[in-house]
Amino acid sequence: QVQLQESGPGLMKPSETLSLICSVSDDSISGYYWSWIRQPAGKGLEWIGHIYSSGSTNYNPSLKSRVTMSVDTSKKEFSLKLSSVTAADSAVYYCARSTTVISWFDPWGQGTLVTVSS
Amino acid sequence: DIVMTQSPDSLAVSLGERATINCKSSQSVLYNSNNKNYLAWYQQKPGQPPKLLIYWASIRESGVPDRFSGSGSGTDFTLTITSLQAEDVAVYYCQQYYRTPLTFGGGTKVEIK
Repeated sequence: QVQLQESGPGLMKPSETLSLICSVSDDSISGYYWSWIRQPAGKGLEWIGHIYSSGSTNYNPSLKSRVTMSVDTSKKEFSLKLSSVTAADSAVYYCARSTTVISWFDPWGQGTLVTVSS
Repeated sequence: DIVMTQSPDSLAVSLGERATINCKSSQSVLYNSNNKNYLAWYQQKPGQPPKLLIYWASIRESGVPDRFSGSGSGTDFTLTITSLQAEDVAVYYCQQYYRTPLTFGGGTKVEIK
């Protein structure tokens, strides 16, 4: 079973750019869609967007102006950059896999907490 | 965006009793060409990521106990847990994958009465 592992800075200051990486445990990165999903403390889930293994992307319009995703199949990892962060971007960030462009998510990474504070 | 609305926000059920969670979409997630509902259910326990339970509205993921079942079509869906067990205490989310942006319901917290 493929495993996903997020890594990131933990604590950030407002206006900085958040950078997260999701590492994929096996060679299955090709042929799948890889999403980022976030969850503020005590709240629900928000899909940020996804990237296909070829590099094509689809972002949530609510965040599109600030989001950039990339993939490196040779390193078996994909990444998220979110610019100009504010306290409202504080959340647990998950990476997850989908089999098609519109699909459910399975599996998920364990998540990484990002806190934005001055 | 397709808005997913879950009800209730929380419910307390006795062990061994039935729990019923509702999910309503702001527009139909039934794709007429294949007669499939683009709706999934997840279970999230504290400190853990969501776990896929059901997809295509009623298909249980491998390894999910058969006390979990999904039903509904179009805009109205239900997740039923028959005979609630202690390990089922969690927050449950529905998700539509009919179109992007992919969206989730607000969650329903299930507790033991």
